[in-house]
Amino acid sequence: QKEVEQDPGPLSVPEGAIVSLNCTYSNSAFQYFMWYRQYSRKGPELLMYTYSSGNKEDGRFTAQVDKSSKYISLFIRDSQPSDSATYLCAMSPGAGSYQLTFGKGTKLSVIP
Amino acid sequence: GAGVSQSPSNKVTEKGKDVELRCDPISGHTALYWYRQRLGQGLEFLIYFQGNSAPDKSGLPSDRFSAERTGESVSTLTIQRTQQEDSAVYLCASSLGLGLPSETQYFGPGTRLLVL
Repeated sequence: QKEVEQDPGPLSVPEGAIVSLNCTYSNSAFQYFMWYRQYSRKGPELLMYTYSSGNKEDGRFTAQVDKSSKYISLFIRDSQPSDSATYLCAMSPGAGSYQLTFGKGTKLSVIP
Repeated sequence: GAGVSQSPSNKVTEKGKDVELRCDPISGHTALYWYRQRLGQGLEFLIYFQGNSAPDKSGLPSDRFSAERTGESVSTLTIQRTQQEDSAVYLCASSLGLGLPSETQYFGPGTRLLVL
């Protein structure tokens, strides 16, 4: 079993839909959870960062962490064609650990 | 300001040849990371530099892989005697290097390596 599991998709939704992206993990030491967005032929860019369990909202994006279930989610409201990209979850134990463990990424297409 | 840059953007090489991949981090970032992204796979950690030292080389897949960093700036990842399984996108990232767990890693666009 990989440390981080993420459905690669592809996921195709109409413009304006709510998108739900998810990852599960097995390492209970993970404390810091991140979502990166990667456009085609570009490097990943950090979208959201969350520490431990709970929700965090930033504009149209909401990140949720449920440590008891080892499950994290990213919700995108009012999705736009510009949101079309691959979304990667990443996590680390934190506390001086720099090494990020990534999921495979989910490819999202938002259709106008 | 300038982000992380990598060169070349694309590299095609023949099996058995050596290749060098270059990373220019954001100015002032003391931490630098190399990752590999194979087709359909997540990013795989290769090596981490703090300054010019590499305290963690645990992700390097074999002794054919090596990396160095000079002047707390440019880093070079070298792959000797390339194999077809080395074909991947090699991504470099940098961060401030303050050791904070929330520290953002900024990624370059990657070098796409194809070994024929």
